[in-house]
Amino acid sequence: EPEVTQTPSHQVTQMGQEVILRCVPISNHLYFYWYRQILGQKVEFLVSFYNNEISEKSEIFDDQFSVERPDGSNFTLKIRSTKLEDSAMYFCASSAGRGSNQPQHFGDGTRLSIL
Amino acid sequence: DAKTTQPTSMDCAEGRAANLPCNHSTISGNEYVYWYRQIHSQGPQYIIHGLKNNETNEMASLIITEDRKSSTLILPHATLRDTAVYYCIVRASNTNAGKSTFGDGTTLTVKP
Repeated sequence: EPEVTQTPSHQVTQMGQEVILRCVPISNHLYFYWYRQILGQKVEFLVSFYNNEISEKSEIFDDQFSVERPDGSNFTLKIRSTKLEDSAMYFCASSAGRGSNQPQHFGDGTRLSIL
Repeated sequence: DAKTTQPTSMDCAEGRAANLPCNHSTISGNEYVYWYRQIHSQGPQYIIHGLKNNETNEMASLIITEDRKSSTLILPHATLRDTAVYYCIVRASNTNAGKSTFGDGTTLTVKP
């Protein structure tokens, strides 16, 4: 069964450094998402992306964050200058279409640890 | 998105059916009910979704009441590997690649 893959599984970065999290969505999917989950807290929506532009973003997704689909397969989340509070699990998801009848399929996440 | 209410935790004996309830009394007519689960340290796993008819797939069954104000996810023969947090989510019907809003979910513990 096709799946969303994320790399790396664990990223350790010094505060203030830039980090790029990578995702390979399911191949025929067109809609892409990033979520995060701080340890012990809920899964939170960050951003959705379609047709090379952001469709929706949350308050968490401030100017330090950016997303990109640099080629036909990868979808990336960049945090420009990391803070301690960015430590979390980051999940990528994709769906075949838009609308509430289209399931989102999630990867197993990247654990980001900011020192 | 309509708010959902789930019990904090439930136990189930291995081999028995697990019935996980969810209330979504403010659901709108064209909003879908989704169920995901999250096994420790993994990403949310899609289980099933439905609008108003009952649905069944290889993982589970979804029973939605006629008034659509509540639903039940049924795992027919729970195994130890079904121990997870189960999330009931109502997805907004807008066409803007709607996000999923996760609550606290139900922690299901399957016991031998």
